[in-house]
Amino acid sequence: SAVISQKPSRDICQRGTSLTIQCQVDSQVTMMFWYRQQPGQSLTLIATANQGSEATYESGFVIDKFPISRPNLTFSTLTVSNMSPEDSSIYLCSAKGGAYNEQFFGPGTRLTVL
Amino acid sequence: GQNIDQPTEMTATEGAIVQINCTYQTSGFNGLFWYQQHAGEAPTFLSYNVLDGLEEKGRFSSFLSRSKGYSYLLLKELQMKDSASYLCAVGETGANNLFFGTGTRLTVIP
Repeated sequence: SAVISQKPSRDICQRGTSLTIQCQVDSQVTMMFWYRQQPGQSLTLIATANQGSEATYESGFVIDKFPISRPNLTFSTLTVSNMSPEDSSIYLCSAKGGAYNEQFFGPGTRLTVL
Repeated sequence: GQNIDQPTEMTATEGAIVQINCTYQTSGFNGLFWYQQHAGEAPTFLSYNVLDGLEEKGRFSSFLSRSKGYSYLLLKELQMKDSASYLCAVGETGANNLFFGTGTRLTVIP
């Protein structure tokens, strides 16, 4: 199974600023994803990070707000741009792999926007 | 669409058995996954079913009926540390990501 690390683990940011979250996988994976999860709520898929091409965004999420990079098969970044308090959430990186092609998750980044 | 449905909350007693149900609708079924998520932590993979029947892994078992669009996760000999959210997820042919249910928050009481 893949091991995923994320940084930062948490941050407190001011309204109007941007934060870039990094995700590193310890092995090459074909698929990487970014999720958002409010405490006690379900996972919401933001986008699929495609290696070498633009990310595929889910309904309600746009590239200008959540630009994503995926320069290789082990690394991706998610930027939360022009933040507002509504962006306060846990952001999770995920990758697909393993014996059953299941998804693995990073430990998450807890973002608070003041 | 996937229309994954599972109970929001359940409570069970330490040492007992609990069954968490999940129903789903999908246009192209490609596997049923269960995840465990402790508060403040990331989801971790528990089990996978693609054929009908029961898969057993220690204290945890998962069942699938494809014709009924139904799965359950069975937890035996409950321990306090089993208090967590349990997420049902469905794979769909042609889709890269899994589709997650809203999760069932299980509380184990002494």
